[in-house]
Order: sequence, then C-alpha cells, then structure tokens
Amino acid sequence: GQNIDQPTEMTATEGAIVQINCTYQTSGFNGLFWYQQHAGEAPTFLSYNVLDGLEEKGRFSSFLSRSKGYSYLLLKELQMKDSASYLCAVVDSNYQLIWGAGTKLIIKP
Amino acid sequence: DGGITQSPKYLFRKEGQNVTLSCEQNLNHDAMYWYRQDPGQGLRLIYYSQIVNDFQKGDIAEGYSVSREKKESFPLTVTSAQKNPTAFYLCASSIGSGTGSDEQYFGPGTRLTVT
Repeated sequence: GQNIDQPTEMTATEGAIVQINCTYQTSGFNGLFWYQQHAGEAPTFLSYNVLDGLEEKGRFSSFLSRSKGYSYLLLKELQMKDSASYLCAVVDSNYQLIWGAGTKLIIKP
Repeated sequence: DGGITQSPKYLFRKEGQNVTLSCEQNLNHDAMYWYRQDPGQGLRLIYYSQIVNDFQKGDIAEGYSVSREKKESFPLTVTSAQKNPTAFYLCASSIGSGTGSDEQYFGPGTRLTVT
C-alpha cells in the first residue's frame, strides 16, 4: 500500500526554527508537495521538490531524499501566523497525489 | 481576481437528502478535483476531471456524483447513498499538464453536516 507519515503535532517557540519531517512509501515517485493549511481554510502551496536536495524560499525551505523516501520542511524565524497544519503530498507513478494526514504546528510566544 | 470559489461555506442537511456543492474557477484550468477532509486524515480524492465532459473516480467515489459540463464548473452531489457524509469538502483546480508537477489551487471549502 501507499503510505505517508508525518508527526501529528509539533510545538515551537516564536523566533525559533522547526523541522517537519515526512516519510513516504508509494508506488513510484514523481514529486513531493508541501502545503500550508490554517484551521478551517484552504490549503495553500508552499513548495514542490522532484530532485534531491534543498530548495529555499524565504523563511521556508524544503529538502528531498528520494533514496530514503524522506522530505522535510524547515521553517525559520517562526511567527505566530505560522501556526497551521503542514501537509505533505507525493505524486505517485499514476501522477495522482497521495496526501499525508498533516502536521499541526503550534507556535508559542 | 482569479480564483476558485465554493458555496456555501456551511451546509446542513437531513439524512436521506441529496445535496449539491458548488465549485467554480476562473483560472482557465483544465483539471479540477474534489477532496474530502476528515479530522486526523489526509485529503482523500473523491472525483477528478482533466477536461470538460470527462471525469474519473477517485479513491472514495461511492455515494458521490459529479458533472463537468463547463470548464469553469465542477459541482459535487452527495447522495443519500453516502454512509458518512459529514465532512469538510475541498474543491481544487490545476493547469492539468499531466506531469504531476502542477500546483493545485484550493477553494475555501464547504463544511457539510448531515443529521
């Protein structure tokens, strides 16, 4: 079967750095997405990785290791508005998105 | 402003009634999707459409139906055959290149409660 694992919940302090991990076992791999979803709202796109390595975009960076079936989202200089769920999704061999359950990130002052 | 809209935001229905959720986009996207989101679970694909007048079942299509008569519109009907319809429903669209790398744009969602 296809499986994506993320921690259910994480807590971090304002101004700090947090790393949200995602491991996957899917039938094929054609890329990995990270989305941010505030409670009761629509998910919004953060990043897309298809090659190994780190992609940096402002305070957010995303890393991929295809050989390990592993990705992480790194958030720097945390702000209260970063409190949200972070969804990892993998594109499988049929070009379908397989979604993880999401990681709820709580930011404390 | 380009975007994707869903209405209504909250919907209440009695068990045994069919209900249709609206989804409209003006992004000129070819592909559209319907997802269901339940607490503690990932998004689950109900139906998707890659082109007008064509759509495919997703992982949990039973008890749902869709139509794609216009590029801009992809309504979802939750029928009385759906055993557990109470959920948060999200509509999304993408360019539809078929490469899997297309970002999906989501509507604000409809929270359906069936009692």
